[in-house]
Amino acid sequence: GNSVTQMEGPVTLSEEAFLTINCTYTATGYPSLFWYVQYPGEGLQLLLKATKADDKGSNKGFEATYRKETTSFHLEKGSVQVSDSAVYFCALLNTGTASKLTFGTGTRLQVTL
Amino acid sequence: DGGITQSPKYLFRKEGQNVTLSCEQNLNHDAMYWYRQDPGQGLRLIYYSQIVNDFQKGDIAEGYSVSREKKESFPLTVTSAQKNPTAFYLCASRNTGGNNSPLHFGNGTRLTVT
Repeated sequence: GNSVTQMEGPVTLSEEAFLTINCTYTATGYPSLFWYVQYPGEGLQLLLKATKADDKGSNKGFEATYRKETTSFHLEKGSVQVSDSAVYFCALLNTGTASKLTFGTGTRLQVTL
Repeated sequence: DGGITQSPKYLFRKEGQNVTLSCEQNLNHDAMYWYRQDPGQGLRLIYYSQIVNDFQKGDIAEGYSVSREKKESFPLTVTSAQKNPTAFYLCASRNTGGNNSPLHFGNGTRLTVT
């Protein structure tokens, strides 16, 4: 079956630090991969996506590259801000799964001044 | 603006009572979903519907029921049979016309049962 594994949080960084949140997946075929962000008390917002191997998704300074050889989709940002504090979810969508996304457990990021 | 509206934002109920959570979308999406979020457990799929008048159980459907009488609406009923109903509930929708289209989420309803 499909599964997504994320690094456990919380991740605590100082402002302007480099961020990496690891995400690996298990799936048959060629899934699409997503990163969602959840701010306190809100729903999830799509941050970025990649639909095939070697694609790089990017948005708001965040990037993630679809690596089929390592089944990974790690989220990176060169310089985090306090406003980036949130929970980040990695997810995959596989064809033939009736449009169901499989989510990781989420990683909480806290950025301090 | 197009989007997904969940109401209410906070809901309080006594144990033993059924409660219905509202979810409305004006994105013209065919598919709609209900997820439950608990601390440290990520999102778990309760029910989903790919078309009007049809829906399927997700991973944790026991104690819940849904209906899909209109494309725009996918209400979730939390019944008294749900053993641990206190949680944050998220509704989502998706355009199934594209294989890679993402889910769009509402802002959630936090249900507290005492």
